[in-house]
Amino acid sequence: RKEVEQDPGPFNVPEGATVAFNCTYSNSASQSFFWYRQDCRKEPKLLMSVYSSGNEDGRFTAQLNRASQYISLLIRDSKLSDSATYLCVVIPSGYKLSFGAGTTVTVRA
Amino acid sequence: ETGVTQTPRHLVMGMTNKKSLKCEQHLGHNAMYWYKQSAKKPLELMFVYNFKEQTENNSVPSRFSPECPNSSHLFLHLHTLQPEDSALYLCASSQENGRDLYFGPGTRLTVT
Repeated sequence: RKEVEQDPGPFNVPEGATVAFNCTYSNSASQSFFWYRQDCRKEPKLLMSVYSSGNEDGRFTAQLNRASQYISLLIRDSKLSDSATYLCVVIPSGYKLSFGAGTTVTVRA
Repeated sequence: ETGVTQTPRHLVMGMTNKKSLKCEQHLGHNAMYWYKQSAKKPLELMFVYNFKEQTENNSVPSRFSPECPNSSHLFLHLHTLQPEDSALYLCASSQENGRDLYFGPGTRLTVT
C-alpha cells in the first residue's frame, strides 16, 4: 500500500462550484498533514496545513479524519485561478515528507 | 534574487555526458533537498542536507552525486544517466524542522 494515495482526477468544475477531494495515508502514527498546490509547469507551493480540528483559509477548508486515515480539501466558490494540481503531504515521522501524486482540478468558465 | 533559484531550467543530455544542476536559496534556511518528479508519480525525495551535512540518501543510484558546500547552495552532479532519469528535478529548502518546504522552479531534464 502506498504511503499517500490521491484520486488523480481530473475534477472539472464550473466557476462558482464547490469541489472536494480526499487523500488517504497508510501510517496511523502520522502527525502532520499539509496541502500543497502545483500549477502547470511550476513548482509546488504550500497551500495550508491541516489541523486536527479542521481549518479554513478563505475559500479553502481542510479536514483530518484520523479514524479513517484521510484528509480532505474543499474549495468553495471555485475560481479559474484555482485550476491546479493539489498535492497531499503527510509526515509519517520526523521531518521526512511523503507526497501524494496529486489531484488535478480544472475550473471552467 | 529571492526564494529558491535553480539553474539551468532545462537540460538535454546524452547518456555519456556529465552535467551539474545548481540550487541556491536566499531564505536563510538550514536544510536543503533534492526531489525528483516524474509524470503522474509522487515527488520522490532523493537527498537531504541539514547544516551542510547529508542526513538522507534515499537509495539513489550513484550516477547522481549531491554536493552542499554551504547552507545556501546545493548541487546535483549527473553522469552516465539513463533515459528513465528524465524528469523534473526540484530543489527545496526549509528551516531544520522540514515542515514548510520552499521549492525552486525545477530543472526539466531530458536524457537522450
